[in-house]
Amino acid sequence: GQQVMQIPQYQHVQEGEDFTTYCNSSTTLSNIQWYKQRPGGHPVFLIQLVKSGEVKKQKRLTFQFGEAKKNSSLHITATQTTDVGTYFCAGANYKLSFGAGTTVTVRA
Amino acid sequence: GAVVSQHPSWVICKSGTSVKIECRSLDFQATTMFWYRQFPKQSLMLMATSNEGSKATYEQGVEKDKFLINHASLTLSTLTVTSAHPEDSSFYICSASEGRASHEQYFGPGTRLTVT
Repeated sequence: GQQVMQIPQYQHVQEGEDFTTYCNSSTTLSNIQWYKQRPGGHPVFLIQLVKSGEVKKQKRLTFQFGEAKKNSSLHITATQTTDVGTYFCAGANYKLSFGAGTTVTVRA
Repeated sequence: GAVVSQHPSWVICKSGTSVKIECRSLDFQATTMFWYRQFPKQSLMLMATSNEGSKATYEQGVEKDKFLINHASLTLSTLTVTSAHPEDSSFYICSASEGRASHEQYFGPGTRLTVT
């Protein structure tokens, strides 16, 4: 079945630094979605990428979808304390398969 | 827009009893609703997908007789955990989509179930 792997599992970042989380699927995807879950909260939809090689930006967040539509990345620049939480990628075909998530903590 | 509510937000019940959790899309019609289970510091595990007026599709390993799902309308789905046991204690989250299962999903706030 479809599997989505996400690395790293944990990311401890100095405030102001950049970091990237990566997502890989065992199958070609129709789209990939990213969600953020704050501590104690529920997942919130961030973005959806559909096209091969697509790049989208949301302020300090840059999302990429690979040419083969099997991998994706989320890059955050100038990390802030508000970026704390777990970021999940979710690969979509006939259903969404969530990656394990990258839990981000920030040291001031 | 795209708000999903879930009730109750937490519940404690005794072993052997049943618990019903409601999931409602408040400002849109949800063609598809999903039920997930999340253990502490882990990812979301899809339990089942439901479409209004039809039987839910359960993921492998999820007992359909234990986790009863009813999608009565385009804005309401319920999950009933029957004959609950302590191992059923978990965080249950529903989500709703306006389109197919591959479309973006809007999540409810979750229900923390503790079975004693």
